[in-house]
Order: sequence, then structure tokens, then C-alpha cells
Amino acid sequence: GEDVEQSLFLSVREGDSSVINCTYTDSSSTYLYWYKQEPGAGLQLLTYIFSNMDMKQDQRLTVLLNKKDKHLSLRIADTQTGDSAIYFCAERGAGSYQLTFGKGTKLSVIP
Amino acid sequence: GAVVSQHPSWVICKSGTSVKIECRSLDFQATTMFWYRQFPKQSLMLMATSNEGSKATYEQGVEKDKFLINHASLTLSTLTVTSAHPEDSSFYICSARDWGNSNQPQHFGDGTRLSIL
Repeated sequence: GEDVEQSLFLSVREGDSSVINCTYTDSSSTYLYWYKQEPGAGLQLLTYIFSNMDMKQDQRLTVLLNKKDKHLSLRIADTQTGDSAIYFCAERGAGSYQLTFGKGTKLSVIP
Repeated sequence: GAVVSQHPSWVICKSGTSVKIECRSLDFQATTMFWYRQFPKQSLMLMATSNEGSKATYEQGVEKDKFLINHASLTLSTLTVTSAHPEDSSFYICSARDWGNSNQPQHFGDGTRLSIL
């Protein structure tokens, strides 16, 4: 089956930028997503990008997609303590509404 | 924005009890809803795809007689964990797809933490 990989941990200082990386194997991916999960809560959609786009920016969030390398990244500018959470990368293949999730990256923001 | 409500948020019950979890789309219609299970510090595992008016599609290894899914309306899907045992303790999350907009992402509920004693 298709696979989505993420590093498990990232630690940054408050005010710095965070970059969370994700790689995937499905060459037919149509959409790629970033979700945020805080402890004990469900998933909150942060942003998503269509596979024919290279970049999408939404306030402090910038998503970069390298379709050739199947690499997706999420940059959070001016990271705050409230950004501490687990961030999941997910992809949706062609002809399907199912999502394949990575294992999540735990972002820790140091005050 | 699209809101998915999941209820209850937390349930503790004795072994052998059946537990029903509800997933509602509040401001959109969802012909398809998804049920996930999440173990501590792990990713989401898709259990089944719930289809309005028809049988659910279960992922390999998920017992359909153990996890009963009913999707009787365009805004409600239920997951019933039958005769629950401690190994069924987990965090269950549902998501829903907006029927009217296939390009929109899935919207997730806040999850249900199930603890079986």
C-alpha cells in the first residue's frame, strides 16, 4: 500500500520558524493535507494543497510541494508555544476519498 | 466552516458492554464518513468507510461484527463497539466528506476516548 513518512519529533525556540517534512509514495496523489492534533483532541485541518501546485501560503503557514521528489513541507513562521502539537501529513490518491496518514511529528516549542 | 460533532467525547464502561459513538455533520451533508482508531502516540488507522444508505466498507483486519456501523441519514453515522473488552480501549475519531463539494478535505470530529475496564 501507499506510505507517508514523517520525522517523529521537532523542537524549536519560540519565535523561530519550524519546518516539518513529509514524504509519500503515491504518485497519483491529488491532494496533500496538514492536520494538527492537540492532546486528547481530534484533528484540525491546517491547510491543504492540490498536487499541481508548488506552494501555498496562509498567514504563518507555508506549504511547499515537490511533486517530482514526492516531498511536502509545512513551515510555521514565528512559532508560538500554542503551536506545540502533533502535526500529521496526509495524502489522498486519485479516485479515492480515503486519506493515508503519516505517523505524525510532535512539535515542541521552547519558550 | 464545516463542523463535525462526535459524541460522547469520553466513555468508561465495564467489559462486555456495547458502546455507541455518534458522528454528525452539523452544517453539511455527508454521504461518506470515515471511522479511525488511534493508539497512543500513533497515527490514525482507518477502520471503515461509512456510506449513507448502504453497508460500510471495512478495512482488512477489522471485524465488522465487532464494530457495527450504521449511516442512516446524510448527517449521522454511528459506530457501535459490541461486547467491548479492554483491548478495544482506544481513541476513535470520525471524519466526514462534504457531499456537495468533492474537492473539500475531510472534516474531523474531536474524537471519543473509550476506556474498557
